[in-house]
Amino acid sequence: EVQLVESGGGLVKPGGSLRLSCAASGFTFSSYSMNWVRQAPGKGLEWVSSISSSSSYIYYADSVKGRFTISRDNAKNSLYLQMNSLRAEDTAVYYCARVHVQGDFDYWGQGTLVTVSS
Amino acid sequence: EIVLTQSPGTLSLSPGERATLSCRASQSVSRNYLAWYQQKPGQAPSLLIYDASIRATGIPDRFSGSGSGTDFTLTISRLEPEDFAVYYCQQYASPLTFGGGTKVEIK
Repeated sequence: EVQLVESGGGLVKPGGSLRLSCAASGFTFSSYSMNWVRQAPGKGLEWVSSISSSSSYIYYADSVKGRFTISRDNAKNSLYLQMNSLRAEDTAVYYCARVHVQGDFDYWGQGTLVTVSS
Repeated sequence: EIVLTQSPGTLSLSPGERATLSCRASQSVSRNYLAWYQQKPGQAPSLLIYDASIRATGIPDRFSGSGSGTDFTLTISRLEPEDFAVYYCQQYASPLTFGGGTKVEIK
């Protein structure tokens, strides 16, 4: 069974940093591109970042470029999101998601909540 | 960046009725790289349709996707109680973007 389990969320002050993790199981992690998608409270979905299976291709939304860094460790079946210079508008549930065919997502984690507030 | 506009914002229907959800793109979505997701309260989204019209694994045939270019539609032929949720479209032809969502609520 495919499972994606996020962790690392919490309360952080503006300007602070946080590192999210996503532990994958039930599939060959190293064969799939992965993404982070976020959802602010009561709002819609926003794509954040993507990384190819071998980390060769990495993309970011303009809203996080220069502040967030996506990475992965295929030996540990894990995906990461390093978030620096956090702002109030980064408050959201962060989901990791597996790419299905091209850029659609067939499996999602349960999400981890990041709250940026003083 | 391709902007996706979903309409209506809210659809109030009864179980058994047909639901038609629209997703309009600000520019043509190449190769019909468009997906639809369902999200229920407190849950992650789940994939319904990809490449505009292909049902994902395990999705009932009452869900169908159609359209090309800039206009796409998700149709639920007969609403079941478990179908009342929020639906999002997503394009993956250029930097990924999502529509704002359509809430299907019980009338």
